[in-house]
Amino acid sequence: EAEVAQSPRYKITEKSQAVAFWCDPISGHATLYWYRQILGQGPELLVQFQDESVVDDSQLPKDRFSAERLKGVDSTLKIQPAELGDSAMYLCASSLAGQSYEQYFGPGTRLTVT
Amino acid sequence: GQSLEQPSEVTAVEGAIVQINCTYQTSGFYGLSWYQQHDGGAPTFLSYNALDGLEETGRFSSFLSRSDSYGYLLLQELQMKDSASYFCAAWGSSNTGKLIFGQGTTLQVKP
Repeated sequence: EAEVAQSPRYKITEKSQAVAFWCDPISGHATLYWYRQILGQGPELLVQFQDESVVDDSQLPKDRFSAERLKGVDSTLKIQPAELGDSAMYLCASSLAGQSYEQYFGPGTRLTVT
Repeated sequence: GQSLEQPSEVTAVEGAIVQINCTYQTSGFYGLSWYQQHDGGAPTFLSYNALDGLEETGRFSSFLSRSDSYGYLLLQELQMKDSASYFCAAWGSSNTGKLIFGQGTTLQVKP
């Protein structure tokens, strides 16, 4: 069964360092999402791509976060510099175009900033 | 703004039926999805309601009333493995059709 791949699964970094996460969506899924999930809360959308274009990044802290999906397939989310408040689970999801209601999530990257 | 409300915790016994409610306020509402997330795991899609009424998928059913901005997830014949967090998520037009998640309901199934 096709799955969304993410790496790394866990990342510990020091405050002010740079960190990057990678996501490979399910083949054929044109829409890719990056979410941040704080323990005990629901996922919060950071950025949504349709193919290689950003269609929503309204909640992305653009002073320190960046995301790209250059060829419309896999994607990278970067944080620079990391802050203590960035400690969270970062989830990647994908869906067929026009079917945002049914998203398939990767296992996530648990980020701890010390 | 857009928001969803659901109870933070629900407890039930094995074999019982439990209902998790969700009320929403969102512009350009298309429909309501439900996701399950086990501790340490990723959310998995359970169901989607675009129209009013009940949708049944095995032991799980989901209901939507657009006029009341309300939906629920019904879990029957509860099993221990159903212990997880359950999120309702509203799909709206806004400008990108993004999914807005509720804060989640933690279901604890006891023997």
